[in-house]
Amino acid sequence: GDSVTQMEGPVTLSEEAFLTINCTYTATGYPSLFWYVQYPGEGLQLLLKATKADDKGSNKGFEATYRKETTSFHLEKGSVQVSDSAVYFCALSDTTSGTYKYIFGTGTRLKVLA
Amino acid sequence: EAGVAQSPRYKIIEKRQSVAFWCNPISGHATLYWYQQILGQGPKLLIQFQNNGVVDDSQLPKDRFSAERLKGVDSTLKIQPAKLEDSAVYLCASSLDPVSYNEQFFGPGTRLTVL
Repeated sequence: GDSVTQMEGPVTLSEEAFLTINCTYTATGYPSLFWYVQYPGEGLQLLLKATKADDKGSNKGFEATYRKETTSFHLEKGSVQVSDSAVYFCALSDTTSGTYKYIFGTGTRLKVLA
Repeated sequence: EAGVAQSPRYKIIEKRQSVAFWCNPISGHATLYWYQQILGQGPKLLIQFQNNGVVDDSQLPKDRFSAERLKGVDSTLKIQPAKLEDSAVYLCASSLDPVSYNEQFFGPGTRLTVL
């Protein structure tokens, strides 16, 4: 079945460092891909999305490109801030089953130090 | 626009007891989802409703879990009897429909501890 694999955390960076969180997927169809963020004590929020190959999603300085050839959707940010400390989840939406249900990765905790 | 509301936020029960969670989705959202998020894992879909009909409940442990969405709006998720391994955060999410960019909006979750 479909699956999402994320790099294990925690990832600890200094403020203004470059961030990459790796995400790869396995899917039988052509899924939509998402990054969600969960700040402490809050629910998941959509960070960015891409619905087809070569699409780039971006928001709040974060970017991710849908790479069909490598089945990847890595999250990047050029300069992280302390306020970016959170858990980041990569997810895909199964577009072939008719339910469009999400499959989530296990999450990557990011800690940014001042 | 109000977000997805869930209650209670926290619940502690003993094993074999029953518990119920409530979710009020964003107004006008036809699709409602319940997820289970065990510590250190990503959310796992338990059940998906389209209006008041079940679309997917393949991962719902039906011997102890039940869910309903009366009138296609609010939903309740029940566990009876609870087991230790049910300790998790239960997340409710909603979307306009499954297809429209498929963005799901999540509530804050209910943290369940089973002792």
